[in-house]
Amino acid sequence: QVQLQESGPGLVKPSGTLSLTCAVSGGSISSSNWWSWVRQPPGKGLEWIGEIYHSGSTNYNPSLKSRVTISVDKSKNQFSLKLSSVTAADTAVYYCARDYKLVQEGYYYYYMDVWGKGTTVTVSS
Amino acid sequence: QSVLTQPPSVSAAPGQKVTISCSGSSSNIGNNYVSWYQQLPGTAPKLLIYENNKRPSGIPDRFSGSKSGTSATLGITGLQTGDEADYYCGTWDSSLSVGVFGGGTKLTVL
Repeated sequence: QVQLQESGPGLVKPSGTLSLTCAVSGGSISSSNWWSWVRQPPGKGLEWIGEIYHSGSTNYNPSLKSRVTISVDKSKNQFSLKLSSVTAADTAVYYCARDYKLVQEGYYYYYMDVWGKGTTVTVSS
Repeated sequence: QSVLTQPPSVSAAPGQKVTISCSGSSSNIGNNYVSWYQQLPGTAPKLLIYENNKRPSGIPDRFSGSKSGTSATLGITGLQTGDEADYYCGTWDSSLSVGVFGGGTKLTVL
């Protein structure tokens, strides 16, 4: 079964760039799924950051769009998140997830069926 | 401010039933399918309900989902102390072209 594992620095300096990678095992990133990043600030709810398809198509949260880049590396079976100009407000647990997304007759079937364990990123000098 | 609205908390006694509501609009819940996630303390979210009312393999039938108009509801019967968790609704917003979540509901089993 598919498993996801996030990795990356746990500490990022303010104004720097947060970089995380999600390794996909037990399945192919080139399957008919989208792949997402979700974050959760301490004590708060889930925030959808964005998603990517293996073709490179992306969708981003408008509130983060100017700072976010999600990319895919099919040769390594992984996808990545870059978030620039970070501040303390970007401190959170970051999760990667596998999306199921299908559009039929204008209706979206959408859910995240596999999640990574999450990685904590703290923005501090 | 979340796109989908959930009550911050609900509580009930062991063995009882509880429902958690999720309210949205025509651009999200009203015209798309809803999912629910359970997040136990210190762990990643886990898919509980998808396509409004379907349960993934391994999820007991004590958990159920329904949708009417622009609102959805998660029901849990036969409450157990192990059900204490945060519960989130989610769906796609067709106008924003983004995934959206509710703010989360903390379930306490008294």
